Amino acid sequence: NAGVMQNPRHLVRRRGQEARLRCSPMKGHSHVYWYRQLPEEGLKFMVYLQKENIIDESGMPKERFSAEFPKEGPSILRIQQVVRGDSAAYFCASSRDRQETQYFGPGTRLLVL
Amino acid sequence: DQQVKQNSPSLSVQEGRISILNCDYTNSMFDYFLWYKKYPAEGPTFLISISSIKDKNEDGRFTVFLNKSAKHLSLHIVPSQPGDSAVYFCAARGVQGAQKLVFGQGTRLTINP
Repeated sequence: NAGVMQNPRHLVRRRGQEARLRCSPMKGHSHVYWYRQLPEEGLKFMVYLQKENIIDESGMPKERFSAEFPKEGPSILRIQQVVRGDSAAYFCASSRDRQETQYFGPGTRLLVL
Repeated sequence: DQQVKQNSPSLSVQEGRISILNCDYTNSMFDYFLWYKKYPAEGPTFLISISSIKDKNEDGRFTVFLNKSAKHLSLHIVPSQPGDSAVYFCAARGVQGAQKLVFGQGTRLTINP
């Protein structure tokens, strides 16, 4: 019974490049959440998606960041033209229903050089 | 605007004793609270939760207490074991029906043999 899968686990990008982070929710889960953790801080909500819909993007930076959860395939968090301040751990969580507990993946650690 | 606060960055407890982790919140609209445990380079693992209609929830060695009037919750671990050494995050949910989790900064618990 696989948990939430995230890949890559580590990603190194140079300033100005694009970063694509993938998340496959737990089996039977159709709700996906993305969080970001900066060094020595707690996790901060970014976006909440259901299949093909963005439900809440109140935590997403207005520029360069986008997220999708297509009908088939994993959820993607895309960061265009990365800057050093984007270096962080990005965690994906999933839940079976909107009221259910969120279970987290292992995270993707993004380093921008 | 830190709506969920964990004021103790670290806590050291002797093996076999009780560990008490504390969390305060400012928004009275939160209706659901969770505790997650996190090891380095891994994602947060769900431990225990409590609804705002309850004041206590127990699961094995873990008990969460909620004091709504004080806007305070605590996690008790008894007896503490070396494997409990990790960072513990308190999270809250539910303002205006939102599903996003608002996390505290975390408390690093160290269990000494």
